[in-house]
Amino acid sequence: KNQVEQSPQSLIILEGKNCTLQCNYTVSPFSNLRWYKQDTGRGPVSLTIMTFSENTKSNGRYTATLDADTKQSSLHITASQLSDSASYICVVSMDSNYQLIWGAGTKLIIKP
Amino acid sequence: DAGITQSPRHKVTETGTPVTLRCHQTENHRYMYWYRQDPGHGLRLIHYSYGVKDTDKGEVSDGYSVSRSKTEDFLLTLESATSSQTSVYFCAIRAGTSPLYGYTFGSGTRLTVV
Repeated sequence: KNQVEQSPQSLIILEGKNCTLQCNYTVSPFSNLRWYKQDTGRGPVSLTIMTFSENTKSNGRYTATLDADTKQSSLHITASQLSDSASYICVVSMDSNYQLIWGAGTKLIIKP
Repeated sequence: DAGITQSPRHKVTETGTPVTLRCHQTENHRYMYWYRQDPGHGLRLIHYSYGVKDTDKGEVSDGYSVSRSKTEDFLLTLESATSSQTSVYFCAIRAGTSPLYGYTFGSGTRLTVV
């Protein structure tokens, strides 16, 4: 079954600290993997997208990695800010029909 | 969100009543999607459209219908609302189906069926 699983479900860290969110998937055939940020009461906003051949991509303080062999991805946030408080969602696109398989997200809370 | 608006933002309705949610875009994108988001679940695709009057079902389409009579508008209708349809509904637009095209999401409609 095509699935995307994220861990942890929720995470609380202090402002200024780094953190890493995990995404494991069993989607096949794989096309690409995206990370989205979703603020409370808003729609998801794209942070990064990686294809099979890419193993790292950065967007400011956000760095995503992809290991297509182990079917794992991570999102690393550096020097966290209060505005980073949000849900972070991993989404995998299937190559055959562009169907998106969404993870349930990791809720990140940054405390001052 | 720029270029895409959903209305209403919040709605409370009674079981058995029809409900229509509207998604309006100003980007002239061909593809439009309706998703629902529930706690503990990833977004789930309800219906999508690949052009005016061209629509297809997603993974959770039962109890929902859609219409797209103009490029800019995509309507989602719950013919007879049930409590299981209490959810947050998101509309998304996309310029094309190439994997590298991004999705732009609206701010969502929170629907409560009582």
